[in-house]
Amino acid sequence: DTGVSQDPRHKITKRGQNVTFRCDPISEHNRLYWYRQTLGQGPEFLTYFQNEAQLEKSRLLSDRFSAERPKGSFSTLEIQRTEQGDSAMYLCASSLRQGRDEQYFGPGTRLTVT
Amino acid sequence: GNSVTQMEGPVTLSEEAFLTINCTYTATGYPSLFWYVQYPGEGLQLLLKATKADDKGSNKGFEATYRKETTSFHLEKGSVQVSDSAVYFCALSRTGNQFYFGTGTSLTVIP
Repeated sequence: DTGVSQDPRHKITKRGQNVTFRCDPISEHNRLYWYRQTLGQGPEFLTYFQNEAQLEKSRLLSDRFSAERPKGSFSTLEIQRTEQGDSAMYLCASSLRQGRDEQYFGPGTRLTVT
Repeated sequence: GNSVTQMEGPVTLSEEAFLTINCTYTATGYPSLFWYVQYPGEGLQLLLKATKADDKGSNKGFEATYRKETTSFHLEKGSVQVSDSAVYFCALSRTGNQFYFGTGTSLTVIP
């Protein structure tokens, strides 16, 4: 049984650079979510996909952020022109269906912008 | 709007002590409620959940009851162990499209 995986686990980048993170959800899950977690806070919702369709985006997702899930399987989150305020843990989660089902989280990608 | 308020930590308890972590929520309608746990260096794991009023979620000796009248979902355990040391997050989901998390409560259990 493989859970949600994320790559890379850690990323250090210089301000102004672009970064891309990948998430592989649990294989039969059709819903995929991205969250951001900063130190001492709970995860904050960024966006979610049902299959390949991006159905909801948070206002936290500025124009520098873009997420894709081209074939309804893995997803990528790209941050362009990174800023120091983007430093955080980026979490991916997946679920089987909407409503009452719990979300299963990956280990996260820790981004540090210097 | 939807939000979750958690008891602030950190909480330090001796082994075998009783644990309560308070969680209250604000939501329209009837949300599902969850407790997630994050062990050091690991991702969030579902601990327990409740989907309707008066439901009790339980797992690994932890319990929480969905109280609509007080909009609460307090986490309890009768006898904590050192291995329970972690950060605990209360969360709600209204539509399943996103979760709203509390800020987390850090628990340290000392032998």
